[in-house]
Amino acid sequence: DAGVIQSPRHEVTEMGQEVTLRCKPISGHDYLFWYRQTMMRGLELLIYFNNNVPIDDSGMPEDRFSAKMPNASFSTLKIQPSEPRDSAVYFCASSLNTGGRQPQHFGDGTRLSIL
Amino acid sequence: AQSVTQLGSHVSVSEGALVLLRCNYSSSVPPYLFWYVQYPNQGLQLLLKYTSAATLVKGINGFEAEFKKSETSFHLTKPSAHMSDAAEYFCAVSEGLGGNEKLTFGTGTRLTIIP
Repeated sequence: DAGVIQSPRHEVTEMGQEVTLRCKPISGHDYLFWYRQTMMRGLELLIYFNNNVPIDDSGMPEDRFSAKMPNASFSTLKIQPSEPRDSAVYFCASSLNTGGRQPQHFGDGTRLSIL
Repeated sequence: AQSVTQLGSHVSVSEGALVLLRCNYSSSVPPYLFWYVQYPNQGLQLLLKYTSAATLVKGINGFEAEFKKSETSFHLTKPSAHMSDAAEYFCAVSEGLGGNEKLTFGTGTRLTIIP
């Protein structure tokens, strides 16, 4: 079975540019999560969706970050304008609605570098 | 609110020696617990999970963990370390109430294997 698919795997862009990260969750999963991982702050939950509806976006660092889930098989995380401190690895994960008994499944991440 | 504490951000063991990675949790309800492993440039992969069945849980790659309610612990062990076990390990907890699939992660433990 296909796992969580993220694109691109690597992104290098200049400060001020718009960045769009993409995620395709595992088919049939109800929940989708966006995380950011850095050496300084570790793994941070940015936002998560249930049935395409954002449930908790309290981890989104500022208004420059936005996330959408237009349908059950696709989500985007946008940064506009991007800044060097946004450089990190961004992970998408998905899970079934089982009351927490089943694990989240992670993609391989997008390594983002803002110059 | 739930939380996870991983004692020791870095652990080094000799090849063939016992691996012990510590995880303590706090939760207002009986938790579901997970251990994930992250290899360089990859996403998090599930090692094992505890979901209120047997307290000793066996996972992939020879790892196991024991849920001890009295100690609020879920330590990860492997009898004999292999070079391929070098990675970062994350403990996570889910309260699983109300259909909430959100996980709370520990800060991770980087495992180094000494030849």
